[in-house]
Amino acid sequence: NAGVTQTPKFRVLKTGQSMTLLCAQDMNHEYMYWYRQDPGMGLRLIHYSVGEGTTAKGEVPDGYNVSRLKKQNFLLGLESAAPSQTSVYFCASGDKSYEQYFGPGTRLTVT
Amino acid sequence: KQEVTQIPAALSVPEGENLVLNCSFTDSAIYNLQWFRQDPGKGLTSLLLIQSSQREQTSGRLNASLDKSSGRSTLYIAASQPGDSATYLCAVSGSTSGSRLTFGEGTQLTVNP
Repeated sequence: NAGVTQTPKFRVLKTGQSMTLLCAQDMNHEYMYWYRQDPGMGLRLIHYSVGEGTTAKGEVPDGYNVSRLKKQNFLLGLESAAPSQTSVYFCASGDKSYEQYFGPGTRLTVT
Repeated sequence: KQEVTQIPAALSVPEGENLVLNCSFTDSAIYNLQWFRQDPGKGLTSLLLIQSSQREQTSGRLNASLDKSSGRSTLYIAASQPGDSATYLCAVSGSTSGSRLTFGEGTQLTVNP
């Protein structure tokens, strides 16, 4: 069991570039989440999904899009990166008990 | 809007000491509360999950309690070790927010040998 994996681990983007972060889980969980973690702001929910084919906005969704075409994968897209999106991004998955399991994170720098 | 506060923000103790980390939340209508550990540069590791109907959960040297009516939880760590050094995060899921978690900013714990 790999649990929750995230690709890539690190990335540097220039302002205006686009990229997709991939999250994969092998625990057959229904729920998946994308968070960002910033100093002094804690962890904040960007988008989440309660099942394959569904997505919903979290606390800070602007500038991001997501897709959940397969149950095991949850993709986070940045269409036009901005320096304010420099952060550490965490993916998590969860079961019906609502306990969440986190991936190792992606450290993104936008210059 | 749910707000989660953790006090203290940082704590430094000698090895072997028993310690308590505090978490408070403003809306008592929660579904569950989860305690996590985060090592520098790493993801979050789930330590304990307490359902709203429960009063406490134990795992090894860790014990978490929940007082929903007063909006408080504590994480008790017995006989602390240098390997316990990490940031400890508390998060709640609300009865109206479903599975979504609201996090506190964490307590950074250092256990000195």
